[in-house]
Amino acid sequence: KQEVTQIPAALSVPEGENLVLNCSFTDSAIYNLQWFRQDPGKGLTSLLLIQSSQREQTSGRLNASLDKSSGRSTLYIAASQPGDSATYLCGLGGNQFYFGTGTSLTVIP
Amino acid sequence: GAVVSQHPSRVICKSGTSVKIECRSLDFQATTMFWYRQFPKQSLMLMATSNEGSKATYEQGVEKDKFLINHASLTLSTLTVTSAHPEDSSFYICSASAPGWTEAFFGQGTRLTVV
Repeated sequence: KQEVTQIPAALSVPEGENLVLNCSFTDSAIYNLQWFRQDPGKGLTSLLLIQSSQREQTSGRLNASLDKSSGRSTLYIAASQPGDSATYLCGLGGNQFYFGTGTSLTVIP
Repeated sequence: GAVVSQHPSRVICKSGTSVKIECRSLDFQATTMFWYRQFPKQSLMLMATSNEGSKATYEQGVEKDKFLINHASLTLSTLTVTSAHPEDSSFYICSASAPGWTEAFFGQGTRLTVV
């Protein structure tokens, strides 16, 4: 069974700082990896989707990488803003997802 | 991307009553829908997988008689929490997919509070 781990569990940074969130997984036989944002009490907002054959995806200030051989993915956030404060989840799979425990990010103005 | 709508977004019910949560695919036919549960400070855990027109498949430890799932049409799946108890209070979220898709699309989630 796929196990997904996210480190760190919580992160607090000053506004403007660049940061990296980590996701590791045990089974490299995946269809895709997806990074989500979850605001308190809300659903999931998809940020980036990396297909199994891809190594990275970029959207604005976000860049996600995927290394299946090492079972790792990173989400890089450039020039963080207070509005980036949320919980970030990585999910692996195809249509059924296995989720990590999330990283709670706080960006301090 | 495809749109999945979940309703209600929040519900408070009394202990012992039943609550129904709906998950609709608005612009595609969802042959498969997934129901997840998230307890405070924990990750999303798959509860069950429902395929249109057939019985749902439940994950280990999930009581199928307590969490009734119906997927009677290609655009609607429902999760009914029967005889709800305070420990059922959680965040429930659905996702939907179609044949050949490698991506799932998520509803907005439902915050259930049982008092």
